[in-house]
Amino acid sequence: KNQVEQSPQSLIILEGKNCTLQCNYTVSPFSNLRWYKQDTGRGPVSLTIMTFSENTKSNGRYTATLDADTKQSSLHITASQLSDSASYICVVSLVYGNNRLAFGKGNQVVVIP
Amino acid sequence: DTGVSQDPRHKITKRGQNVTFRCDPISEHNRLYWYRQTLGQGPEFLTYFQNEAQLEKSRLLSDRFSAERPKGSFSTLEIQRTEQGDSAMYLCASSSFGPRDGNTIYFGEGSWLTVV
Repeated sequence: KNQVEQSPQSLIILEGKNCTLQCNYTVSPFSNLRWYKQDTGRGPVSLTIMTFSENTKSNGRYTATLDADTKQSSLHITASQLSDSASYICVVSLVYGNNRLAFGKGNQVVVIP
Repeated sequence: DTGVSQDPRHKITKRGQNVTFRCDPISEHNRLYWYRQTLGQGPEFLTYFQNEAQLEKSRLLSDRFSAERPKGSFSTLEIQRTEQGDSAMYLCASSSFGPRDGNTIYFGEGSWLTVV
């Protein structure tokens, strides 16, 4: 079973609307949780990084939240734009091991005009 | 552009041939990672360098795979005797500290490999 589960797997939203992506993880303990945006055929680009003690972090129209008690994170996209069409990957950094990152499979978002 | 460069961006090769990918990380970053990603999946860890030392290798990295970072700067990933199952995007990433430290890990654009 994957340590990081994301939902929904994919969604289609109208331009200008908001959406929320979910990430549930079983990794414990963890040091930080990251959200990346990955355009089709491109490498992932960092959106937010939250430590286990942070509840929210914003980057423009992207707002990530973290509930370490329930092991859930969400990424909220406000006033979506066509350029938001991408895969959004939730990544959890493990405490043990220098390089350990647990990746979700991503939420595929398609924004239509 | 994240500052991490990968070359080539696309490679089509016949089964059984060898291929080599190059990664140039951000210059001051001492940590370099290789990942493999297939469609609809998140990246999977392959190997990790701190400076020139290869500190960890995934069991995904069979004997046909080898990675080097000879001077602690650029890195190469070689796949020998390629198989169709090797078709994937190979991602390189770099950072100044480890993931536990909460700093950004920068990914390159990836090198797409198609084995025919």
